[in-house]
Amino acid sequence: TAGITQAPTSQILAAGRSMTLRCTQDMRHNAMYWYRQDLGLGLRLIHYSNTAGTTGKGEVPDGYSVSRANTDDFPLTLASAVPSQTSVYFCASSDSETGTEAFFGQGTRLTVV
Amino acid sequence: GQNIDQPTEMTATEGAIVQINCTYQTSGFNGLFWYQQHAGEAPTFLSYNVLDGLEEKGRFSSFLSRSKGYSYLLLKELQMKDSASYLCAPMDSNYQLIWGAGTKLIIKP
Repeated sequence: TAGITQAPTSQILAAGRSMTLRCTQDMRHNAMYWYRQDLGLGLRLIHYSNTAGTTGKGEVPDGYSVSRANTDDFPLTLASAVPSQTSVYFCASSDSETGTEAFFGQGTRLTVV
Repeated sequence: GQNIDQPTEMTATEGAIVQINCTYQTSGFNGLFWYQQHAGEAPTFLSYNVLDGLEEKGRFSSFLSRSKGYSYLLLKELQMKDSASYLCAPMDSNYQLIWGAGTKLIIKP
């Protein structure tokens, strides 16, 4: 079973460029999330979606946008990357209606130079 | 505000027992999760507590006291592969997970 997959695994991006991080899940989970994880800090929620067609802002949404056109896909876009967006990005999904655990993708390591 | 407090780092010996504590303050409460995260990898689910008491799953157990805003993860018969970060994550009233910075557990032979 694939579960939840992210692409790319890693990327070096020039400041000012745009990029979309892809996330796909095959578990039919209604909720999806994007987190960033920086050394010494906990996972910080960027954006989330409780169901297809809806999105919400998390703790650190500035500089990022998301869309949820269908249940399976939840791409994260950086419109104009800045060095402070260098981080490891994790996509996750869960069945929020039952309050069960979140499943994580393998992460995308992004370096903005 | 919402807050999670865990020790930053702990060291234990292979074969021993270690308890990782977590205190939390959240807006509402819908259970608490523990995750394991090896360096360079994604977090993976370990346990979930929604009622007070102890949940046991093999070598790992997790305890919850809702009135005290307190949980712990107990790891028995430690193995070298248990070296990882352990993340405490309560779920708030909006079913959002609130993440602590995690506890880095170092296992020594």
